[in-house]
Amino acid sequence: DVKVTQSSRYLVKRTGEKVFLECVQDMDHENMFWYRQDPGLGLRLIYFSYDVKMKEKGDIPEGYSVSREKKERFSLILESASTNQTSMYLCASSRGQGGYGYTFGSGTRLTVV
Amino acid sequence: RKEVEQDPGPFNVPEGATVAFNCTYSNSASQSFFWYRQDCRKEPKLLMSVYSSGNEDGRFTAQLNRASQYISLLIRDSKLSDSATYLCVVNNRRTTDSWGKLQFGAGTQVVVTP
Repeated sequence: DVKVTQSSRYLVKRTGEKVFLECVQDMDHENMFWYRQDPGLGLRLIYFSYDVKMKEKGDIPEGYSVSREKKERFSLILESASTNQTSMYLCASSRGQGGYGYTFGSGTRLTVV
Repeated sequence: RKEVEQDPGPFNVPEGATVAFNCTYSNSASQSFFWYRQDCRKEPKLLMSVYSSGNEDGRFTAQLNRASQYISLLIRDSKLSDSATYLCVVNNRRTTDSWGKLQFGAGTQVVVTP
């Protein structure tokens, strides 16, 4: 079964900490995405990548950075965690130009205290 | 204006009944359309793609109206297990800033009651 795996299901971090969220896919997909999901706001795109070492800003990139050193891995970095970054973070991957939909990871629920 | 808009609901549906809801999109160049299902505290999962001619998958029927820029989802003979949030998703025509990128609606909640 094809999979997108996120390294942690639940995470609690302190304000100011640097936080790494890891995502790995085994489908050889070109495209990978990081979203956050908050009640009433739906899914908001943080960053995406359509190739190794390529990255593009999404709708809400402030306070985040990403890394894609290998095709299968896409990391989201919170440079200095803040309480307003408490959220559900979802990684997704897709192939081609998006006509095939996304496969999502099971999400990381991050709490910043 | 949001690119993809949905009625948040909830739509409360008796078991066995039919429920239908729409989603509107603002970009007339949108090319691909999907419905995703998201259970509480779980990740979204692809329910079905939406084709221009309309398509059916068991009890689920999806329609696309390009002229009015909306898609619809109809669920027949609702089951308790259909309770979920349904996300409307569109993919825009390839441009330098939207290649392969889907736009998600905030979701419509459906609650099927016994």
